[in-house]
Amino acid sequence: EAGVAQSPRYKIIEKRQSVAFWCNPISGHATLYWYQQILGQGPKLLIQFQNNGVVDDSQLPKDRFSAERLKGVDSTLKIQPAKLEDSAVYLCASSFGQAGGYTFGSGTRLTVV
Amino acid sequence: QKEVEQNSGPLSVPEGAIASLNCTYSDRGSQSFFWYRQYSGKSPELIMFIYSNGDKEDGRFTAQLNKASQYVSLLIRDSQPSDSATYLCAGFNTNAGKSTFGDGTTLTVKP
Repeated sequence: EAGVAQSPRYKIIEKRQSVAFWCNPISGHATLYWYQQILGQGPKLLIQFQNNGVVDDSQLPKDRFSAERLKGVDSTLKIQPAKLEDSAVYLCASSFGQAGGYTFGSGTRLTVV
Repeated sequence: QKEVEQNSGPLSVPEGAIASLNCTYSDRGSQSFFWYRQYSGKSPELIMFIYSNGDKEDGRFTAQLNKASQYVSLLIRDSQPSDSATYLCAGFNTNAGKSTFGDGTTLTVKP
């Protein structure tokens, strides 16, 4: 089966600019997650979707981050405006149900300068 | 206190030795535990999961879970240089439907 697709792989932006990341999960996977991984740390959950509904966005900085999953398939994560501390790898993951084992995409490495 | 704690390492073992990676968790709602391997510059890859007390073996890997002690471990037998990576422990809370990750332990296997 095809894996989780993410784009772009790398992005460099200046602070206060906006950026968007795209994710297409494994076909049939109802649950989609966006994680932020800062260098040297484990992934931190930003938002979880079940089909096209938000299950958990308690850790999403809603003043600058937004995410959507239209039609319950692919998803977009946006940051506007970006801060220096947003520099991280943004990982998208999907799972068939809510059993815990995830398949991660290759991630987007964001550098904010 | 973090919900999932791991020794950051680095842990260095010689080739052919047993590598022991440990993880403790504080969320008693976590019922399943997952080990992910993350090579430098790559995304995490699921290698093992365990949800019952005791041991679970898969090839050279053995996961161990002790819910009373809130302790999870991963043993890698006959370690190879290709096992050099960061190993992430994650606890899955069934009610919340989400995993919480530790910060990982970096393992180096020296030829």
